[in-house]
Amino acid sequence: QVQMVQSGAQVKKPGASVMVSCKASGYRFTTFSITWIRQAPGQGLAWMGWISAYNGATNYAPNLQGRVTMTTDTSTSTAYMELRSLRSDDTAMYYCTRGGQLGYDYWGQGTLVTVSS
Amino acid sequence: EIVMTQSPLSLPVTPGQPASISCKSSQSLLHSDGKTYLYWYLQKAGQPPQLLIYEVSNRFSGVPDRVSGSGSGTDFTLKISRVEAEDVGVYYCLQMLDLPTFGQGTKVEIK
Repeated sequence: QVQMVQSGAQVKKPGASVMVSCKASGYRFTTFSITWIRQAPGQGLAWMGWISAYNGATNYAPNLQGRVTMTTDTSTSTAYMELRSLRSDDTAMYYCTRGGQLGYDYWGQGTLVTVSS
Repeated sequence: EIVMTQSPLSLPVTPGQPASISCKSSQSLLHSDGKTYLYWYLQKAGQPPQLLIYEVSNRFSGVPDRVSGSGSGTDFTLKISRVEAEDVGVYYCLQMLDLPTFGQGTKVEIK
């Protein structure tokens, strides 16, 4: 069965960087994209960007351009999201999700990133 | 940016009764390929969102047939024919025609 397993919660100081991983299993990794979505505490869902696991092409949300980088390691079927110059309003649950013809069909369990001095 | 507007934002429901959620987009979600890129998700407390409906009206695997989606262009509706306790949570619509954007969410709770 398809599974997306994310790395654990992290606490970071303002200005630092964070990297979250997402290991996929149960399907051919390179045939789907990986999208990252975040959710601030008590808030709605915000699309962060997308990476093709086939060729590494990316598309980022305009408000995150220059601060976010998404990568994949096809040898381990793992996707990574790095967010730099962290601010307090980056405190959120970060989700990876598989993207395909059905939309975002399988999701990771979420990774809580807390930015606090 | 395509703006997605849901209503109501809060929906108390009685078990066994129907429920309906509206989602309106700021522009048509019909693509030139003939598909309409509108999706519905349910997020239960403490869980990631789960896909319910894709391309307006197609139920994802395992979604009960009492859940249905309809609509076209800019107006879409999610209906639950008979609400059960497991339907409690926040429902989001999502458009994927352009850079993806979500509605604000509709919190469904049992009366």
